[in-house]
Amino acid sequence: DAGVIQSPRHEVTEMGQEVTLRCKPISGHNSLFWYRQTMMRGLELLIYFNNNVPIDDSGMPEDRFSAKMPNASFSTLKIQPSEPRDSAVYFCASSLNRAYTFKADTQYFGPGTRLTVL
Amino acid sequence: DQQVKQNSPSLSVQEGRISILNCDYTNSMFDYFLWYKKYPAEGPTFLISISSIKDKNEDGRFTVFLNKSAKHLSLHIVPSQPGDSAVYFCAASDSNNNDMRFGAGTRLTVKP
Repeated sequence: DAGVIQSPRHEVTEMGQEVTLRCKPISGHNSLFWYRQTMMRGLELLIYFNNNVPIDDSGMPEDRFSAKMPNASFSTLKIQPSEPRDSAVYFCASSLNRAYTFKADTQYFGPGTRLTVL
Repeated sequence: DQQVKQNSPSLSVQEGRISILNCDYTNSMFDYFLWYKKYPAEGPTFLISISSIKDKNEDGRFTVFLNKSAKHLSLHIVPSQPGDSAVYFCAASDSNNNDMRFGAGTRLTVKP
């Protein structure tokens, strides 16, 4: 398996523009997570999906952020309009969530998308 | 609200010595803890984990210790190698949820 695939790897845009980040989870995984990494706050969970359904989006910073998972093999994170403070590395991760197991399933991370908003 | 804290942003050790990375958490509902390792330009990769029913888990050179009463865990790497130089993230999870909370990371540098 190719692992979690994210695109683009780098994105530079101007303030006010719409940005769409893409993620393809590992085949067979049923949970998908979007994280943002900054120097100040480390890795922050933005939103996660289980079986394509958003479960917890309390980490999404503002209404400018939205995420979708139209099917088991694809998810997007959209920022509209983008602002300079959104500059960060955005990671997507996936896992196989087995119900009733006494552990959180290991998450596998993609390489990240480095977003720079000028 | 940082529920998982790694108070040391960086750590430097000599090759062959022990590296100790620390992590504190505030949520008493956390019952599963993980360490991830991250190299530059790559995503974090899983390293080692421990559930709250244990106080120690060992895997080769890596050992994780959990002190539930203190809400503290640590990762020991011995002996440290230059290839261990990376950012290490501590993560914690409540088994009733599927999300995970990460610390800010500690950058470990192992000098030859």
